[in-house]
Amino acid sequence: QSVLTQPPSVSGTPGQRVTISCSGSSSTVGSNPVNWYQQLPGAAPKLLIYTNSLRPSGVPDRFSGSTSGTSASLAISGLQSEDEADYYCAAWADSLNGVVFGGGTRLTVL
Amino acid sequence: QVQLVQSGAEVKKPGSSVKVACKASGGSFTNSVFSWVRQAPGQGLEWMGSITPIFGTANYAQKFQDTVTFTADESTTTVYLEVRSLRSDDTAVYYCAKVGADGEWKFEYWGQGTLVTVSS
Repeated sequence: QSVLTQPPSVSGTPGQRVTISCSGSSSTVGSNPVNWYQQLPGAAPKLLIYTNSLRPSGVPDRFSGSTSGTSASLAISGLQSEDEADYYCAAWADSLNGVVFGGGTRLTVL
Repeated sequence: QVQLVQSGAEVKKPGSSVKVACKASGGSFTNSVFSWVRQAPGQGLEWMGSITPIFGTANYAQKFQDTVTFTADESTTTVYLEVRSLRSDDTAVYYCAKVGADGEWKFEYWGQGTLVTVSS
């Protein structure tokens, strides 16, 4: 059972907008920045969104992040086939003195 | 540009140990923080802990405190992960990652991963 809760899977069609939720607590998402990672099949994870809503250089603006209270969300607009991957949220957990990841969400582009 | 290059795949017997290397290039090594993250087959990401070479200090996730050791060699800009008393459920891909300098625990750069298989 992950400290951060994500839906196991989401799906969408090309061009659609999808969102992935990440539910935490006051000692994780409620008090620390959330980062999102994209893991393409067979590859290492890649930083996609940091500090809740910022994009590293090279990440398309189709990807956006937000937080509200103890939850965070990743939105992907203009869905493309190459977005098919696993997505993970992560945050520092004060009570555990360490980083915790969500269980991951598999995005399928239909 | 920062690059993290990890050592190759390992096959180990239960009860043995393994040491995985992660060589960093580009950027500062000594002033950086590195983490290890593992991923069991078909499973999610799991943070194992971190090491700060400049202080030589490590912070381990509670689950790994008794079986894992992180070390760093400044002369070769390499961080190491040692896992002792290997069990079959330690079979996983182990990633090293460099933590962003802003203290917000974002993993900016990742190694390619090292598959460790534990099997008798």
